[in-house]
Amino acid sequence: AAGVIQSPRHLIKEKRETATLKCYPIPRHDTVYWYQQGPGQDPQFLISFYEKMQSDKGSIPDRFSAQQFSDYHSELNMSSLELGDSALYFCASSSSATDTDTQYFGPGTRLTVL
Amino acid sequence: QKEVEQDPGPLSVPEGAIVSLNCTYSNSAFQYFMWYRQYSRKGPELLMYTYSSGNKEDGRFTAQVDKSSKYISLFIRDSQPSDSATYLCAMDDPGNTGKLIFGQGTTLQVKP
Repeated sequence: AAGVIQSPRHLIKEKRETATLKCYPIPRHDTVYWYQQGPGQDPQFLISFYEKMQSDKGSIPDRFSAQQFSDYHSELNMSSLELGDSALYFCASSSSATDTDTQYFGPGTRLTVL
Repeated sequence: QKEVEQDPGPLSVPEGAIVSLNCTYSNSAFQYFMWYRQYSRKGPELLMYTYSSGNKEDGRFTAQVDKSSKYISLFIRDSQPSDSATYLCAMDDPGNTGKLIFGQGTTLQVKP
């Protein structure tokens, strides 16, 4: 079965640079979530989109922005990168058509800021 | 204090042992409870999904939810070395926006 696809899998950036992470949800899933997981930490919710509209916002810095496109893929844009932004970034998708709204996670993008 | 508390371990058991993993939570409004398994440098993989109180069994895995005690458990029977991973409990945000609130994760090692 098709899973959530994230690209790139690994990304190395310098401080103050910009990064763009992409997420392709499971086909027919209409909701996308972004999470940030620091080393040894649990995933922290950043932002979510339903039907291309932002549905919720968590502890996402103002330097970050995201959107969901007409084909339901989503991009997380990160500017003025800081060392503390180094983490695993996960995208998850779900379908509002199901009773459970179960979230399925992608493999993650490992961002390293030098 | 975190909304969801989970002992990070590590927990080391011999192959074949029964493993018990637990989480406590503070918000009585949580209704959906999940267990995810995460291998090193991989994304969380959904193991079990439970709505409200009760038990749910799937193969070697059993999830229990006790809402009166705000306590959830995951039991793994006949544990295998391939079960070695970090296990994260997660709960839905009561605001019904779908976002998940995770426990810190328990690292499990099953020794052959």
